[in-house]
Amino acid sequence: DAMVIQNPRYQVTQFGKPVTLSCSQTLNHNVMYWYQQKSSQAPKLLFHYYDKDFNNEADTPDNFQSRRPNTSFCFLDIRSPGLGDAAMYLCATSRATGEIRYFGPGTRLTVT
Amino acid sequence: GEDVEQSLFLSVREGDSSVINCTYTDSSSTYLYWYKQEPGAGLQLLTYIFSNMDMKQDQRLTVLLNKKDKHLSLRIADTQTGDSAIYFCADLTGNTPLVFGKGTRLSVIA
Repeated sequence: DAMVIQNPRYQVTQFGKPVTLSCSQTLNHNVMYWYQQKSSQAPKLLFHYYDKDFNNEADTPDNFQSRRPNTSFCFLDIRSPGLGDAAMYLCATSRATGEIRYFGPGTRLTVT
Repeated sequence: GEDVEQSLFLSVREGDSSVINCTYTDSSSTYLYWYKQEPGAGLQLLTYIFSNMDMKQDQRLTVLLNKKDKHLSLRIADTQTGDSAIYFCADLTGNTPLVFGKGTRLSVIA
């Protein structure tokens, strides 16, 4: 049974057109993360929520925002996607930040 | 900051053992992980080891941890074509972000 679910699996958006990616979890974990993974690279942490507390990585562009309306759901909003934002976006969860991180299947974003 | 290094490529014949190596720099690691990523897919947690362990075995997978040398390895016994993927080593220290290596692409030749 899927524990970390990401929708859609593939997303195409136009340059500059806002896009939202979705993640949900059935694990009831406190922490939810968003990673960006470009081709042939390791995943890079963008930000995470510990419950309702938002923690942004220092080098995450302002173009990327996140919302967590409840424990189960977390959204990644890209306000004005550029061609350089085309990547796989991975959601992950963990019970606490020092505990095992479980990843979803990812959403591959294409920017045209 | 923390650095995790892996060799980028490994090629083995079907049925042989694969050994993927990883080195890390942070001596206060709590967990060390191995994730598997198949083409176009997310990261699948394969196995992990607590930093106070030297070895962990799980079916065809054996993880060895040498804390003195800060070296982690993943051995896959009887490697199959379905094991072809990218394998990421990752290091977790306290509450800091999980640090990934660049991934080792394992190719299994039939």
